Amino acid sequence: GEDVEQSLFLSVREGDSSVINCTYTDSSSTYLYWYKQEPGAGLQLLTYIFSNMDMKQDQRLTVLLNKKDKHLSLRIADTQTGDSAIYFCAESQFSGGYNKLIFGAGTRLAVHP
Amino acid sequence: DGGITQSPKYLFRKEGQNVTLSCEQNLNHDAMYWYRQDPGQGLRLIYYSQIVNDFQKGDIAEGYSVSREKKESFPLTVTSAQKNPTAFYLCASSGVGGGTPQETQYFGPGTRLLVL
Repeated sequence: GEDVEQSLFLSVREGDSSVINCTYTDSSSTYLYWYKQEPGAGLQLLTYIFSNMDMKQDQRLTVLLNKKDKHLSLRIADTQTGDSAIYFCAESQFSGGYNKLIFGAGTRLAVHP
Repeated sequence: DGGITQSPKYLFRKEGQNVTLSCEQNLNHDAMYWYRQDPGQGLRLIYYSQIVNDFQKGDIAEGYSVSREKKESFPLTVTSAQKNPTAFYLCASSGVGGGTPQETQYFGPGTRLLVL
């Protein structure tokens, strides 16, 4: 079935690294995404990774993909208070003629001094 | 500035009333989507449209209706048949490209619907 799972909450100290984990179910997913949602706002695309890659780096963000274990992680280096938000993992599944996104429930990241 | 706009930011519905949420995009995207977000849950797909004058039901379409008369616009109507409409509604758009980065979805700022 379709299921994307994430831990619900993560607390880190400012300046430390944050690692947000996600597991997904569909091994045929072509792309996996990370979105950020600040309070009362829409989802902002952070990054995505193609399923034949195992790592992607973009400034402070590093995405690791373990396709064998269907595990995706997002590492944020030098975490700042502005990184406090909910982070959603999503996998794409080709269904009904289009690329459907399946979202996890989101991980709330709290950054404290 | 290219982007997706949703209005209003907050919307109040009385019992038995239909209300319409607006979504407009100027990204020249063919596909548009409506999602519902409830606290502590991921997004659930209500309806999507890949081309003008065509749309498909998502996972939770009951109590909702949509139209797609223009490429730029995809309004969502929450009907009186939707018994639990209080939620945050997000509109998104994307290109159509058979499993390519073109299909990455971009989101609007959302509309919060509250029942009086």
